[in-house]
Amino acid sequence: KAGVTQTPRYLIKTRGQQVTLSCSPISGHRSVSWYQQTPGQGLQFLFEYFSETQRNKGNFPGRFSGRQFSNSRSEMNVSTLELGDSALYLCASSLEASGIQETQYFGPGTRLLVL
Amino acid sequence: LAKTTQPISMDSYEGQEVNITCSHNNIATNDYITWYQQFPSQGPRFIIQGYKTKVTNEVASLFIPADRKSSTLSLPRVSLSDTAVYYCLVGPVSGGYNKLIFGAGTRLAVHP
Repeated sequence: KAGVTQTPRYLIKTRGQQVTLSCSPISGHRSVSWYQQTPGQGLQFLFEYFSETQRNKGNFPGRFSGRQFSNSRSEMNVSTLELGDSALYLCASSLEASGIQETQYFGPGTRLLVL
Repeated sequence: LAKTTQPISMDSYEGQEVNITCSHNNIATNDYITWYQQFPSQGPRFIIQGYKTKVTNEVASLFIPADRKSSTLSLPRVSLSDTAVYYCLVGPVSGGYNKLIFGAGTRLAVHP
């Protein structure tokens, strides 16, 4: 079974631009979560989508948004990029439930550099 | 939310057993304990999960004392490929992924 895939793997943008990242979950998985990982803040939860609806949300500004399609694929968008948005963005999928009992499977991430 | 405390880093040698302890003094009755492993430039990977006593799988063992205020991840006979960051997570069943805090993790370095 194929794992979680994320595209693109690397991205360079400039301040003020916007970016869209894509995630394809494991086949049959309906929950997709997004995380931001930086050396200073570590791994931080952005949001989770299930059945095309945002189910949980972390403490990030409104510039960070996401959506999920009927085939469970998900995209996240960051508008008006700031230097501090440079990070590894990870997508994780799980079957249905949301919580520690439901194992998350992470993708390889998209490394975003904002200049 | 249960706060976890782990050592920042550990060193070991190939073939040794490694034990990483995580402290979670304010763990709640319905909280479970999960460990993830992360290699550089990759997403975290689930290792093991438990509620109490001992859990063992093909990769590791997880020891949880009766008071559940700490847990120990045990990696038998480590190899160089076990060099990674290990995260201890504590959270409620069906509590939502937003309730899980990865923290800084423990950076394990395995030497030849």
